[in-house]
Amino acid sequence: QVYLVESGGGVVQPGGSLRLSCAASGFSFSTYGMHWVRQTPGKGLEWVSLISYDGTNQYYADSVKGRFTVSRDNTRNRVFLQMNSLTTDDTAVYYCSKMAIYGQSSIYFHYWGQGAQVIVSS
Amino acid sequence: QSVLTQPPSVSGAPGQRVTISCTGSASNIGAGFDVQWYQQPRGAAPKLLIYGNTNRPSGVPDRFSASKSGTSASLAITGLQAEDEADYYCQGYDTSLGYVFGSGTKVTVL
Repeated sequence: QVYLVESGGGVVQPGGSLRLSCAASGFSFSTYGMHWVRQTPGKGLEWVSLISYDGTNQYYADSVKGRFTVSRDNTRNRVFLQMNSLTTDDTAVYYCSKMAIYGQSSIYFHYWGQGAQVIVSS
Repeated sequence: QSVLTQPPSVSGAPGQRVTISCTGSASNIGAGFDVQWYQQPRGAAPKLLIYGNTNRPSGVPDRFSASKSGTSASLAITGLQAEDEADYYCQGYDTSLGYVFGSGTKVTVL
């Protein structure tokens, strides 16, 4: 059984920082890429970032590039999202998701955590 | 504003068939990228329903089916049940934007 548990959410002021963590279990963590996806009532689901299985490659949505950093610790089966220079537009529920590949190159979101709420407000 | 457009809501009586459309463009669905579908009950996380346009993961009932043609995709639910009441999202890849999701469709069981 795959389990993904996010933590680290909370309330932060604009311009502040927050670090999300996602603890994974039930699969061979070090062999899978991991996504972060966020969801707001207004904008729906938005892909945020992807990190490769070994951490050597990171990809970001334009909306967070230069402010967010994804990393992972394969010895502890955890993936992290460091969020800096936060704005009210970053207010959302943040999900981590186990990456899967179909065919030669179709990447999708196989399993999801329960989400962590991030509220950016003064 | 989502790159993949879905109807805001669809509804049906128990046992009926409903379909949800997902309309994209030449830079995503029309470019040949696969479409996935996710189910999100109220207050819960999304769950993978369909991958690779038409494939169901193990455990997903065969009441759920999907197809893709041109710049659009669709999800069908046959024999609608009360437990199917949820939000449904399509997902694909866009050559300019990366991984993209549809605007979401709320399915109501009457």
